[in-house]
Amino acid sequence: NAGVTQTPKFQVLKTGQSMTLQCAQDMNHNSMYWYRQDPGMGLRLIYYSASEGTTDKGEVPNGYNVSRLNKREFSLRLESAAPSQTSVYFCASRVAGSPNEQFFGPGTRLTVL
Amino acid sequence: QKEVEQNSGPLSVPEGAIASLNCTYSDRVSQSFFWYRQYSGKSPELIMSIYSNGDKEDGRFTAQLNKASQYVSLLIRDSQPSDSATYLCAVNEAGSGNTGKLIFGQGTTLQVKP
Repeated sequence: NAGVTQTPKFQVLKTGQSMTLQCAQDMNHNSMYWYRQDPGMGLRLIYYSASEGTTDKGEVPNGYNVSRLNKREFSLRLESAAPSQTSVYFCASRVAGSPNEQFFGPGTRLTVL
Repeated sequence: QKEVEQNSGPLSVPEGAIASLNCTYSDRVSQSFFWYRQYSGKSPELIMSIYSNGDKEDGRFTAQLNKASQYVSLLIRDSQPSDSATYLCAVNEAGSGNTGKLIFGQGTTLQVKP
């Protein structure tokens, strides 16, 4: 069991470039989440997918899009990267029916120049 | 706006002491409370969950919940240098149905000095 995996681990973009962050889980979890973590800001929810086929905005969705490709995979896309999107991005998943316990992937450290 | 508040620290304790980490939350109807540990450069790791008032113990860790005061704490007994990390408090977002959404505090950095 790999748990929650994320690719890439590190990425440097120039302003205006696009990229997709990939996330996959092999725990048969229903719900998946994308967070960003900035110094002193804690974790902030970008988008989530409560179940396969549904996605919804979190606290800070502007500048991002998501796709729940299937039950295992949930991707985050930056269409036109901005320096304000420099952050560490974490994907998490949760088993259906659990009282909100989320399990995190290793993260992607993104720098936008 | 629903909030989870933590003292960012750093909280410094000597090895072997009890570390006490505190968290307050604003939404009175929240039901699920979690403590995550995050080492520098790593992802958050769930270490404790608590759902009812009182204490819950797991090894050297004790989570305490007081819903009337909207307060949740984490005690670490016999603190070790390996406990040095940032501890994140998380609370379920009440009223969000079955989405599983959590609200995180900004974290408390714990330093355990040998």
